[in-house]
Amino acid sequence: QKEVEQDPGPLSVPEGAIVSLNCTYSNSAFQYFMWYRQYSRKGPELLMYTYSSGNKEDGRFTAQVDKSSKYISLFIRDSQPSDSATYLCAIQDGGFKTIFGAGTRLFVKA
Amino acid sequence: DVKVTQSSRYLVKRTGEKVFLECVQDMDHENMFWYRQDPGLGLRLIYFSYDVKMKEKGDIPEGYSVSREKKERFSLILESASTNQTSMYLCASSFPSGTETYNQPQHFGDGTRLSIL
Repeated sequence: QKEVEQDPGPLSVPEGAIVSLNCTYSNSAFQYFMWYRQYSRKGPELLMYTYSSGNKEDGRFTAQVDKSSKYISLFIRDSQPSDSATYLCAIQDGGFKTIFGAGTRLFVKA
Repeated sequence: DVKVTQSSRYLVKRTGEKVFLECVQDMDHENMFWYRQDPGLGLRLIYFSYDVKMKEKGDIPEGYSVSREKKERFSLILESASTNQTSMYLCASSFPSGTETYNQPQHFGDGTRLSIL
């Protein structure tokens, strides 16, 4: 079993839709949770970073962590064509190691 | 803003060549990392460094080495390039654990797309 599982998609939605992206993880020692956005031919860009269960909001983006279920989500409200990218979840155990999901490709159609 | 700069965006080399990929960060980060990214496999850690002249193997170090002579610079070396090393290479940096900026996440460069012919 992979330590972090993420559906690769692709996920295609119309402009204005609410997008839900998800990852599950297997190790309860993981403490820190991140979401990165990666445009084509660019490096991953940090979107959200959290270390506790619950929700964290930043503009149109909400990161949600459920440690009891080992489940993290990223919600995008009022999605825009410019949100079309690959979204990577990433999880840290408090040390050097960061484990990345394989990424979900998102397409937002105008 | 954190700036991680990789020296080349695209690189084409031949089998057996020694290849150097350079990375520089401007945020005084102690930690630096090299990953490769392949479709369906995600990001895989090759090597990382938590201080000048220090290095640790990641998950796939075979065929690679690294050099960190200065804090801001981390180099990845392909000793004898092979076709299975064709990939996107990403450099990242971060603050270390246990500091005031405890567990700050990694910041990435834009990658070097390396083709070995």
